[in-house]
Amino acid sequence: EADIYQTPRYLVIGTGKKITLECSQTMGHDKMYWYQQDPGMELHLIHYSYGVNSTEKGDLSSESTVSRIRTEHFPLTLESARPSHTSQYLCASSEMGRSTEAFFGQGTRLTVV
Amino acid sequence: DAKTTQPNSMESNEEEPVHLPCNHSTISGTDYIHWYRQLPSQGPEYVIHGLTSNVNNRMASLAIAEDRKSSTLILHRATLRDAAVYYCILVGGGADGLTFGKGTHLIIQP
Repeated sequence: EADIYQTPRYLVIGTGKKITLECSQTMGHDKMYWYQQDPGMELHLIHYSYGVNSTEKGDLSSESTVSRIRTEHFPLTLESARPSHTSQYLCASSEMGRSTEAFFGQGTRLTVV
Repeated sequence: DAKTTQPNSMESNEEEPVHLPCNHSTISGTDYIHWYRQLPSQGPEYVIHGLTSNVNNRMASLAIAEDRKSSTLILHRATLRDAAVYYCILVGGGADGLTFGKGTHLIIQP
């Protein structure tokens, strides 16, 4: 069983609000990721981290920001939500290396109205 | 990252084997071949991975061509719960994260 958790599972919020999507893992993994996925579409990497105090932007440009103050925690923040941010956000973690598997959370489905 | 090519969709019958192909003609010598699947309304889950030799685990088997330019994920006896989008992904030394393509949408008929 994967020990990676995302909260909330669903969020409906008004335009202009600040939101933080939570992601926690209990596996001690150094690498963590955030992906964005629109319905029926591919997953796109928006942020990743190699460890504490490490954050990098992914392939898809995103207005969100992330932080990594603790190994187990990798929250994603949107300072001012807009309808274009409506999407599913998936968090994942893995050990370093090419032959390790990534574990994904259940995702947060965000709707900005 | 090297690209993979998969059929958009495949259909199979319950309790029959399923062979999901993936072409990766530009694979480099150090790229691992990973397979993930995504069930409806869930995050992706790892299925299997390999480098050169065929691999088996409790979920599936991975058959890798001798020249490594293609691979096949084999589900030995498909169930309705195997209906998902299956992604074939190459993971190289410089990979920052998994690069997902469109995958193959597997439909299982009862």
